[in-house]
Amino acid sequence: GDSVTQMEGPVTLSEEAFLTINCTYTATGYPSLFWYVQYPGEGLQLLLKATKADDKGSNKGFEATYRKETTSFHLEKGSVQVSDSAVYFCALTPTGTASKLTFGTGTRLQVTL
Amino acid sequence: SAVISQKPSRDICQRGTSLTIQCQVDSQVTMMFWYRQQPGQSLTLIATANQGSEATYESGFVIDKFPISRPNLTFSTLTVSNMSPEDSSIYLCSVVWRDRVLEDTQYFGPGTRLTVL
Repeated sequence: GDSVTQMEGPVTLSEEAFLTINCTYTATGYPSLFWYVQYPGEGLQLLLKATKADDKGSNKGFEATYRKETTSFHLEKGSVQVSDSAVYFCALTPTGTASKLTFGTGTRLQVTL
Repeated sequence: SAVISQKPSRDICQRGTSLTIQCQVDSQVTMMFWYRQQPGQSLTLIATANQGSEATYESGFVIDKFPISRPNLTFSTLTVSNMSPEDSSIYLCSVVWRDRVLEDTQYFGPGTRLTVL
């Protein structure tokens, strides 16, 4: 079945550092890929998405590129802020449906001054 | 995207009691789901809330423990029955929203944080 693998956390960075959170997936066909973010005490928010190979999703300074050849969707940000401290979930849905959302385990990011 | 609200936002309950969580969407949606997020864990799908018919439950979840109603296309409830401390979790509803042609995305409500003593 489909699966998503994320790097283990927590990730601790200083403000203005470069962020990479690795995400790889296993799925047939061309799934849609997502990054969701959960700020402390809140629900999940969609951060960005990509629906086909080589697409780049971007939002709030975060980017991720859909790499079919490496089955990856790594999340990056050039300069993190304390307000980016949250748990980040990589997820996918199979080709043609948004109903079967498969999540990674989540990666906690802590940004310090 | 659709705006999703949940009530209550949090609650502390005694074991053996039940709690009903409401999910309200500001637009009609076809697909609505309920998830559980146990402390420090990822999300697990409980069931698909079907409008006008019984919910479709995932393996490990049963209707007697998590009865779900979906009376219309904008509203659903999840009841956590006969609660135990192991039910302490965040419960989230989600909906599928068509961002553009052939591009559907799940959006989540703010969650209900449940603590069972």
